[in-house]
Amino acid sequence: DAGVIQSPRHEVTEMGQEVTLRCKPISGHNSLFWYRQTMMRGLELLIYFNNNVPIDDSGMPEDRFSAKMPNASFSTLKIQPSEPRDSAVYFCASSSLAMGSSYNEQFFGPGTRLTVL
Amino acid sequence: AQSVTQLDSQVPVFEEAPVELRCNYSSSVSVYLFWYVQYPNQGLQLLLKYLSGSTLVKGINGFEAEFNKSQTSFHLRKPSVHISDTAEYFCAVSPGGSYIPTFGRGTSLIVHP
Repeated sequence: DAGVIQSPRHEVTEMGQEVTLRCKPISGHNSLFWYRQTMMRGLELLIYFNNNVPIDDSGMPEDRFSAKMPNASFSTLKIQPSEPRDSAVYFCASSSLAMGSSYNEQFFGPGTRLTVL
Repeated sequence: AQSVTQLDSQVPVFEEAPVELRCNYSSSVSVYLFWYVQYPNQGLQLLLKYLSGSTLVKGINGFEAEFNKSQTSFHLRKPSVHISDTAEYFCAVSPGGSYIPTFGRGTSLIVHP
């Protein structure tokens, strides 16, 4: 398996522009997570989906951020309009929650390094 | 709610020396505990986990960690480090029955030749 795939790996944009980050989870996984990593705040959970449905988006910083999962093999995180303080590494992770199981390992993608000028 | 404290932001050590990375957590319920490793320009990778049972947990690459409930700690150890162990290490905790971990701020392990 190719693991979790994220694109692009690097994105440089100007303030006010729309940014779309993409994630392909591991085939067969039914949960998907978006994280943001910064020096100031560490690793923060933004939102997670189970069976393509958003379960908890309390970590999304503000309305400029939105996430979708139209099907089991694709998710997007969009920032519109982007601001310099959005500069961070954004990780996508996926896992497989088995029935009757209380734990399942998260597999992380390589991340997208976003720089907003 | 649970929280995780990694007491050292950076740990420099010479190759072949032992190392301990410290992690303390706070939670009012039983927990699952994890250590993840992040190599430069890569995502996080699970190193080891404690769910239940033996308090000494062995992981990949020769790492191990010990769960100490009375001290609410889950310190990571390796008896002899290699240059290739240079990376960021994250401790994480989730309430038992949850699969959403809370991550610590990370400890940068720097192994010198």
